Amino acid sequence: DIRMTQSPSPLSASVGDRVTLTCRASQNIGSHLNWYQQKPGKAPNLLISAASTLQSGVPSRFTGTGSGTDFTLTISGLQLEDFATYYCQQGSSSPYTFGPGTKLDI
Amino acid sequence: QMQLQQWGAGLLKPSETLSLTCAVYGGSVGDHYWTWIRQSPGRGLEWIGEISHRGTTKYNPSHKSRVLISVDTSKNQFSLKLSSVTAADTAVYYCARERVRATNPYTWFDSWGQGTLVTVSS
Repeated sequence: DIRMTQSPSPLSASVGDRVTLTCRASQNIGSHLNWYQQKPGKAPNLLISAASTLQSGVPSRFTGTGSGTDFTLTISGLQLEDFATYYCQQGSSSPYTFGPGTKLDI
Repeated sequence: QMQLQQWGAGLLKPSETLSLTCAVYGGSVGDHYWTWIRQSPGRGLEWIGEISHRGTTKYNPSHKSRVLISVDTSKNQFSLKLSSVTAADTAVYYCARERVRATNPYTWFDSWGQGTLVTVSS
C-alpha cells in the first residue's frame, strides 16, 4: 500500500495568515493527489484534485502544488471558516489511502 | 447537485454483520463508481472498496474476505455488508461517489454521504 504522511499537525495560525500544509507519498504518485477539508461532525469535502485542480465553489485562496512524492496545500489569507482538518489522499493505485490529517487551529 | 443519503444499524455485537445502504439523488448509480470509506480515531480514513457502474467490485485487501458491496439500480442505491465485525470495526462509515479517470487511471471522491457511526460492543 502507498503510505501517506502529513505535516505539521496540529498547525496553529491566525485569521489572515498564509499557511502551507505538506503531504508526502511513500512512492511516486505523479499528480494523483487529492486534498479534502473536514469539519467536526461532517464528511470530508473535496477541495483539490489532481494535485492542483480547484473544485467548483472552492475559494481561490486554496492552492495545491506538487508531483511525484511531495505535495503542498497553501491557504492564503486564512478565514475563520478555514479552521478544520485537512487530509491528502492518493488516487494512483488501490487501495486508495489517506494521510493522517493536519488539524488547523486558531 | 448530487446528494447521498445513508442509513443502517448503528450498534452491533461482535460477530454480527454490518449493513449500510446509500441512496443517490441527482444522478444514477448506473453512471458512476461508488465507494465506502470509514473513519476511526485509531485508523483515520480508510478506503473499504468500490463498485463500478458495471457492477465490478474491488476491495481493500485488509477487509476483502468480509466485505460485499452491491448496487440496486431499481432503487438507485448501493450497499455495504461487512461480516464478522469486531470492536476494531467501530467507526464512522461514509458512502461516496468515486470519480475515475480511465486514461492514466486516477481516482478521487467528490460527493459524500453524511456518515453513519457504527459501534461494535458486546
